[in-house]
Amino acid sequence: DTGVSQNPRHKITKRGQNVTFRCDPISEHNRLYWYRQTLGQGPEFLTYFQNEAQLEKSRLLSDRFSAERPKGSFSTLEIQRTEQGDSAMYLCASSPTSRELRSPLHFGNGTRLTVT
Amino acid sequence: GESVGLHLPTLSVQEGDNSIINCAYSNSASDYFIWYKQESGKGPQFIIDIRSNMDKRQGQRVTVLLNKTVKHLSLQIAATQPGDSAVYFCAETVNYGGATNKLIFGTGTLLAVQP
Repeated sequence: DTGVSQNPRHKITKRGQNVTFRCDPISEHNRLYWYRQTLGQGPEFLTYFQNEAQLEKSRLLSDRFSAERPKGSFSTLEIQRTEQGDSAMYLCASSPTSRELRSPLHFGNGTRLTVT
Repeated sequence: GESVGLHLPTLSVQEGDNSIINCAYSNSASDYFIWYKQESGKGPQFIIDIRSNMDKRQGQRVTVLLNKTVKHLSLQIAATQPGDSAVYFCAETVNYGGATNKLIFGTGTLLAVQP
């Protein structure tokens, strides 16, 4: 399978704990995105990487959230001191860099976080 | 399993009929639009895209129509099949002059195909 891979698929944690999710994009894709999706809603943009550089962050990304892409390949999203409101599906997507600025994002199947 | 269809607009069609899913967007600076299909427990799956310099694009069994005058996008699915049952999202990219290619998603529509 050469699609976007996310791990774990599900994570249940107690409020106040830290969690980390991993995303492996499609190998030739330079662009990587994190989105959050709550039940019944469309995905909401969190942050964007071009190679290892984090170029844009949403206001949704509070200081408890941090994302990295140290070698320009896989990425991690960490949430510190989780709150019940953090319960959501966290989606990773990637797209290639090309002369066409506009290209579709390819999504993984997400990590479902439940904070109890 | 989880239900992604709670509180979503729903379109119910008979198997074999054509489906039309509509989407209104708000930003006249948007220059790229995509339709995604999302099944329960999975990430959004790309269906078809269209750039703002076009008003129609066809794929296999799907057609996207773009009306920039009224900021409206539609997805037509021909000969709808049970496997088409899912939540459908439109998404837009606003041209701020940057290279982010960030997608902004609309409210989804649940397509329910009756056998």
